[in-house]
Amino acid sequence: GAGVSQSPSNKVTEKGKDVELRCDPISGHTALYWYRQSLGQGLEFLIYFQGNSAPDKSGLPSDRFSAERTGGSVSTLTIQRTQQEDSAVYLCASSSSALPEQFFGPGTRLTVL
Amino acid sequence: QKEVEQDPGPLSVPEGAIVSLNCTYSNSAFQYFMWYRQYSRKGPELLMYTYSSGNKEDGRFTAQVDKSSKYISLFIRDSQPSDSATYLCAIGYSSASKIIFGSGTRLSIRP
Repeated sequence: GAGVSQSPSNKVTEKGKDVELRCDPISGHTALYWYRQSLGQGLEFLIYFQGNSAPDKSGLPSDRFSAERTGGSVSTLTIQRTQQEDSAVYLCASSSSALPEQFFGPGTRLTVL
Repeated sequence: QKEVEQDPGPLSVPEGAIVSLNCTYSNSAFQYFMWYRQYSRKGPELLMYTYSSGNKEDGRFTAQVDKSSKYISLFIRDSQPSDSATYLCAIGYSSASKIIFGSGTRLSIRP
């Protein structure tokens, strides 16, 4: 497909476990974003990758959160030692450098028991 | 003070009504103004974007930007039940920068 894809669509884990969430952006898009959306809330910015530049990590809530983007394409968001307050929908978006429009994936719903 | 403020609603109107959704922002350096629509359990999708003051129309949707007041609006004419969703305003400094989202307004159109 031509859109942003994310996997898994749902993830249930136990408190204290590590999780990895994956994002496949639209081919050719240089920018990739991760957001978190808690129930009934707006989008909380987490991290932003633009080309080969150093990522903007200013939104990461703690050092338990990290993200990588390999080869300028696929990105993985890792949450270590998950806590119940990490339960949310994690959304990935990508955009080209020419336009501000961000295209969103369907999200990964994370539940920490 | 948040950079972007948006009334969370919920807002419920009868079918056919005109809907007005609004956001205010604090930084006059913002240049891009967008509205996203998010259906339940889906990712947001872009409805409209503009980078100038004034109105931009697309079908039943009109985006309005007033840079002097730091105020943006989305109007929906002849609202339909299928318009029921959460609407998020989003504002950016430039085309290649991160954008800042409002908290979203939940809209329900009653048949």
